Amino acid sequence: SQTIHQWPATLVQPVGSPLSLECTVEGTSNPNLYWYRQAAGRGLQLLFYSVGIGQISSEVPQNLSASRPQDRQFILSSKKLLLSDSGFYLCACPRGQGANGNTIYFGEGSWLTVV
Amino acid sequence: AQSVTQLGSHVSVSEGALVLLRCNYSSSVPPYLFWYVQYPNQGLQLLLKYTSAATLVKGINGFEAEFKKSETSFHLTKPSAHMSDAAEYFCAVSDGTSGTYKYIFGTGTRLKVLA
Repeated sequence: SQTIHQWPATLVQPVGSPLSLECTVEGTSNPNLYWYRQAAGRGLQLLFYSVGIGQISSEVPQNLSASRPQDRQFILSSKKLLLSDSGFYLCACPRGQGANGNTIYFGEGSWLTVV
Repeated sequence: AQSVTQLGSHVSVSEGALVLLRCNYSSSVPPYLFWYVQYPNQGLQLLLKYTSAATLVKGINGFEAEFKKSETSFHLTKPSAHMSDAAEYFCAVSDGTSGTYKYIFGTGTRLKVLA
């Protein structure tokens, strides 16, 4: 079965420091992958999605970037964190390929606090 | 572009009372609709989904939702609230016609169950 691993689970970073959050998916190949951010009062915001290696689409202008160096690896990065980057970051992947309406499943998330 | 609107960021009900969480969507193509639940400090779990089969969809934990095309709604209901239902609930819409299968989430509704 498909599983989504995210790490680190929690981190506290100073303003201006770099960031790297990693997501790895097992049990599937060539998946669509997504990064969402959940911030207080703002629901779940789609940040990036990827339909394949090296293919990244950005949904909102921001201080973050994403990369997909391998088929089942999706990385969220920043060169210099801002206070507003604090939040709960979720990696997600649909189960199944080709059919519409596939359920999207989430990793356990990474809590980022920028201080 | 697709969008989801959840009316009411906070809903309070008494234990045993009807739960009604509202979701309206906007989509230029037949949508696929989802409800997810997030318990404190946890990731998101799928409650139920609509994929163009029956308009009344039954999910886990006694929840159900009805797809009403004329009202562009997909409201979540449960006849009798339980204390364990206290959580945040997210409605989501997806569109697979572009091949990217983007999943757009609402801002969430936090359900409080009063004893």
